[in-house]
Amino acid sequence: SQQGEEDPQALSIQEGENATMNCSYKTSINNLQWYRQNSGRGLVHLILIRSNEREKHSGRLRVTLDTSKKSSSLLITASRAADTASYFCAPSRGSEKLVFGKGMKLTVNP
Amino acid sequence: SQTIHQWPATLVQPVGSPLSLECTVEGTSNPNLYWYRQAAGRGLQLLFYSIGIDQISSEVPQNLSASRPQDRQFILSSKKLLLSDSGFYLCAWSRAGGRWNTEAFFGQGTRLTVV
Repeated sequence: SQQGEEDPQALSIQEGENATMNCSYKTSINNLQWYRQNSGRGLVHLILIRSNEREKHSGRLRVTLDTSKKSSSLLITASRAADTASYFCAPSRGSEKLVFGKGMKLTVNP
Repeated sequence: SQTIHQWPATLVQPVGSPLSLECTVEGTSNPNLYWYRQAAGRGLQLLFYSIGIDQISSEVPQNLSASRPQDRQFILSSKKLLLSDSGFYLCAWSRAGGRWNTEAFFGQGTRLTVV
């Protein structure tokens, strides 16, 4: 199993702005997942992108995957204060355990 | 629908005391089960992973152990807690089988403070 590295580690923006966070990994993958964690809570799955997909949308979320660069990005458009949370990526090569990195802390100021 | 229950939500225990955290999943069978720990302001550390009863992998050698007495029950234990065991413990499950990992569902977590 491998873990992703989120970048930046922290981001502070104003409500209405877009937030972009990146995830890099080291070996080939089958899919990559993004999760959100509100303070003091469990993680919530946001989106899963497979290795044969380049882009995926879910509401205000847009995820891209570049397997040649071994990286993924999560874009949150028109951010809201409620988007304040930590975000984690989890790259996976197969049906193995899910390993998470340190995450990225997003603060959206009203 | 599937649900995951994790308890207790908070726990304060003295050093040297035992620990038992319980996690149960409803509405599915033969789930993959996970225990993670998150230190304050840090990422998630995978502690244990189970693909079935009596099939538990330990990811980090430490003061903790895990058991799966029933298909949908996962217990995290310690015989003697250390100060360093303090943290936020999360249980999670995902659907078993298939070639690829699928979405994981997390419990609400247990905040453990060892004093």
